[in-house]
Amino acid sequence: DAGVIQSPRHEVTEMGQEVTLRCKPISGHDYLFWYRQTMMRGLELLIYFNNNVPIDDSGMPEDRFSAKMPNASFSTLKIQPSEPRDSAVYFCASRRDRGLTNEKLFFGSGTQLSVL
Amino acid sequence: GDSVTQMEGPVTLSEEAFLTINCTYTATGYPSLFWYVQYPGEGLQLLLKATKADDKGSNKGFEATYRKETTSFHLEKGSVQVSDSAVYFCALRNNFNKFYFGSGTKLNVKP
Repeated sequence: DAGVIQSPRHEVTEMGQEVTLRCKPISGHDYLFWYRQTMMRGLELLIYFNNNVPIDDSGMPEDRFSAKMPNASFSTLKIQPSEPRDSAVYFCASRRDRGLTNEKLFFGSGTQLSVL
Repeated sequence: GDSVTQMEGPVTLSEEAFLTINCTYTATGYPSLFWYVQYPGEGLQLLLKATKADDKGSNKGFEATYRKETTSFHLEKGSVQVSDSAVYFCALRNNFNKFYFGSGTKLNVKP
């Protein structure tokens, strides 16, 4: 299995631009999570989906952030408009709801976002 | 709300030294507890886990015991190696399937 795949690995953009981060979870996984990692705040849960349905988006910082999961193999996190304080590493993670590994989160390699 | 608190880093040790990284948690119900490790430029990887009180998780020489009475899950290793240099995250999964992570502790092991 290829694992959780995120793209792009690095994104540099200017303030005000729209940014779209992409994630392909592991096939067969029921849950998908978006996390943001910064030095100041550590690892924060932004939103998670179960069977493509958003379950908890209480961690989304504000209306500039939105996430979608149109099907079981793809999710996007969009920031519009972006601001310098959005600069962080954004991780996608997935897990199964059944089986021996159902408690294990599998993380992608992350997207390093820099907003200038 | 549920949360995880772990000791701040960085922690710098010499090779073969003993490692302890403290972790305490706050949660209702009976959470599962985890340690994840993050190597430079990579995502987090599960290191070990414990799902109920008094369970001991272990992997690659690392151990942690689920202590409900002290709400702790401290990570230990008897003899660290340079290759153990990474950031270590303590985490819990609560009864609502939400994961909470600590802020991470950076470990530097010098030869």
